[in-house]
Amino acid sequence: AQKVTQAQTEISVVEKEDVTLDCVYETRDTTYYLFWYKQPPSGELVFLIRRNSFDEQNEISGRYSWNFQKSTSSFNFTITASQVVDSAVYFCALSADDNYGQNFVFGPGTRLSVLP
Amino acid sequence: KAGVTQTPRYLIKTRGQQVTLSCSPISGHRSVSWYQQTPGQGLQFLFEYFSETQRNKGNFPGRFSGRQFSNSRSEMNVSTLELGDSALYLCASSYPTSGRSDTQYFGPGTRLTVL
Repeated sequence: AQKVTQAQTEISVVEKEDVTLDCVYETRDTTYYLFWYKQPPSGELVFLIRRNSFDEQNEISGRYSWNFQKSTSSFNFTITASQVVDSAVYFCALSADDNYGQNFVFGPGTRLSVLP
Repeated sequence: KAGVTQTPRYLIKTRGQQVTLSCSPISGHRSVSWYQQTPGQGLQFLFEYFSETQRNKGNFPGRFSGRQFSNSRSEMNVSTLELGDSALYLCASSYPTSGRSDTQYFGPGTRLTVL
């Protein structure tokens, strides 16, 4: 069975601070995919990044960066110089097939509040 | 391209009634998945449809069903509604390649309230 843990339920930071959101996953598959989604108050999940299990390179996109470490089964997300617009719930997700087809397993989410 | 659309956006029903939710995927996407989001259980996978066939199913009772049409639009039905079915129902579409690798793009959701 697959599982995603996001131990931080809520985080509050002041604008311009850096913040890291943790994600730890469990799977017995050797091929799997990890995702991060952002859910603003409007409710729509916004895709941020996809990473496959064979690519452990860190990725940077603007103020966002991701650190994937298979040795610790972690896929952490860092926002540099946070802004108020970053306030949202962030979900880490794992895609793996028990059967053929899609079955995303989401973590419980981390609510990030960026205060002005 | 237009994003994933879901109708209606809000719905209020009473216990025992049934409800049908609709999802139109991104043009060209052939896979549609449904999720239930509640404060207590978080985001849970309901089922996935591809080419009008249910390809994968989560752990939900038979009261939850769905279907997909030839134009990839999908509907989800919940019969004999219970108070615990109150949730945000999210639909996601993807352009399937190998299945597990595909990025899912989500719609705005339908918020269902059962009284």
